[in-house]
Amino acid sequence: SQQGEEDPQALSIQEGENATMNCSYKTSINNLQWYRQNSGRGLVHLILIRSNEREKHSGRLRVTLDTSKKSSSLLITASRAADTASYFCATSYNTDKLIFGTGTRLQVFP
Amino acid sequence: DTEVTQTPKHLVMGMTNKKSLKCEQHMGHRAMYWYKQKAKKPPELMFVYSYEKLSINESVPSRFSPECPNSSLLNLHLHALQPEDSALYLCASSQDRLAGGINFGPGTRLLVL
Repeated sequence: SQQGEEDPQALSIQEGENATMNCSYKTSINNLQWYRQNSGRGLVHLILIRSNEREKHSGRLRVTLDTSKKSSSLLITASRAADTASYFCATSYNTDKLIFGTGTRLQVFP
Repeated sequence: DTEVTQTPKHLVMGMTNKKSLKCEQHMGHRAMYWYKQKAKKPPELMFVYSYEKLSINESVPSRFSPECPNSSLLNLHLHALQPEDSALYLCASSQDRLAGGINFGPGTRLLVL
């Protein structure tokens, strides 16, 4: 399977704490993307990092990419209850095929 | 308009029924997708249309039949489905080569009885 894996599968934290999710993938990539999904509804695109980039920021989100280890991490700083969702990494390589990782379920308690 | 819309939101059908899922986007995106998602699993790619032509079929059973009538519309025709086909069906669209990410619709939750 080309599917990536995410770690941890589930994460519970208090509001204000930071949340870190990791993603490992198996093939070469053009870019790696992170998505959020609330309650089994549509996914929302959060951030995209290209294969020649090592770190990217967007608001409270920080993404790193290590292509030598085929891994990425998503850091959400100062988390809020509204950040409670499932987070997926996804990769693509020279096609329209976007392959999703297994996902991390994040629970942020008020 | 920066949304992908899907209808219906929920669908219950029997194994002998024929139904269709509909998807629409007005962002001028040239690629449209169907994904299937089972509970607590990641989305799995089913089909990709690029410039209204089917470019990827992930070995999906023929009881699922995609159609792209024009650049804004994408349908998924369902016939003789099985209970294990019950899932959330997500439509999505993107600009060129996924460079900016994919815009997903809210999905159609399908239950096959």
